[in-house]
Amino acid sequence: QSALTQPASVSGSPGQSITISCTGTSSDVGRYNLVSWYQQYPGKAPKLMIYEVNKRPSGVSNRFSGSKSGNTASLTISGLQAEDEADYYCCSYAGSSTLVFGGGTKLTVL
Amino acid sequence: QVQLQESGPGLVKPSETLSLTCTVSGGSISGYYWSWIRQPPGKGLEWIGHIYSTGSTNYNPSLKSRVTISVDTSKNQFSLKLNFVTSADTAVYYCAKYGMVNNYFDYWGQGTLVTVSS
Repeated sequence: QSALTQPASVSGSPGQSITISCTGTSSDVGRYNLVSWYQQYPGKAPKLMIYEVNKRPSGVSNRFSGSKSGNTASLTISGLQAEDEADYYCCSYAGSSTLVFGGGTKLTVL
Repeated sequence: QVQLQESGPGLVKPSETLSLTCTVSGGSISGYYWSWIRQPPGKGLEWIGHIYSTGSTNYNPSLKSRVTISVDTSKNQFSLKLNFVTSADTAVYYCAKYGMVNNYFDYWGQGTLVTVSS
């Protein structure tokens, strides 16, 4: 059970859109539509942003969206704002009641 | 609003057992899944395992031989024990409520740093 692969860092200017990828295998991301995304500020607990690939919990801005193609899931943030600067983690169900996280991506708003 | 709070020693000696408790307030622990997740300093998240309120457990295969998660519904608490710790187990440990059907963690504790050192 290996960690999902995310880019270490991404950046964008305010108002732009960015996409963070999360690549797994046919045993996790590719097999199940059970990918979630979390936002984490330094020293804080993660916050759920997306679940079941593309569903947003109540209270999460519609600037955040999710998608999946094959073994890769993606998180897109549109209309980038300074407050979006944080670390982002994906998580996938991996079968047999186990889960796997991605390595995390640091988003910098220029 | 469900709230979770981790508690336990912040310092554990190598080869000893790390023990943490998560107290759930604002809702019942019964009928839900509860998880432990950790994050080494400067690194990513790692799922440790989860437990259903009836006591059924699932663990990360890489930690399974050293981990025990238990639940005490009378106290609305669940606990983590990690045996034979090394410096690699130094991390912030989070407890979280887990939505099994949808695979998400919707409520998190604030996290507690556990350092393994002699």
